[in-house]
Amino acid sequence: GAVVSQHPSWVICKSGTSVKIECRSLDFQATTMFWYRQFPKQSLMLMATSNEGSKATYEQGVEKDKFLINHASLTLSTLTVTSAHPEDSSFYICSASSIAGDRGYTFGSGTRLTVV
Amino acid sequence: SQKIEQNSEALNIQEGKTATLTCNYTNYSPAYLQWYRQDPGRGPVFLLLIRENEKEKRKERLKVTFDTTLKQSLFHITASQPADSATYLCALVGGANNLFFGTGTRLTVIP
Repeated sequence: GAVVSQHPSWVICKSGTSVKIECRSLDFQATTMFWYRQFPKQSLMLMATSNEGSKATYEQGVEKDKFLINHASLTLSTLTVTSAHPEDSSFYICSASSIAGDRGYTFGSGTRLTVV
Repeated sequence: SQKIEQNSEALNIQEGKTATLTCNYTNYSPAYLQWYRQDPGRGPVFLLLIRENEKEKRKERLKVTFDTTLKQSLFHITASQPADSATYLCALVGGANNLFFGTGTRLTVIP
């Protein structure tokens, strides 16, 4: 149980275009999902916390107009990188907190974004 | 601001030995701490969670300790195997139930 599906697993886009990444909880309802960015050989940095039916909460230094997050249902959150630039190239990972207790958080398999 | 540091960026050990990874944190009083494994190009996978009132937790060859006075957690892998080679991350839960990760330790188990 507690599977998070992330799509696409990789994407290459041209500079100036927008890219949408989907994150779905397959067998549980996630009222809260989280989006992370990871640069090579670095740890995961939290970008934003996405709550179903309300606006996302962004971490300091993350541009909300550039990284649009939508959490329209209990099983789907999307991250749209708008007007992408080469410096946005990174590994983006979503996560959802499943049942509380000893199960921890479940992560998607990540999306490798390359902006050319 | 809160800071979560893992003692070494990389750790190499011989197969069969015990690997010990350290996680230190500052400016934070977490109710619990988590450890994750991340393989290259993949998302983290949850391993263990330890609560502030627990001194030690075990799961198969894994053992985690949590010292809230020292603000430190130790993560041990006993009888290490080459398949244990990965990056290990400690993580703390923030006020909004969001997860903040440590710097990570890349473990390599040498056959």
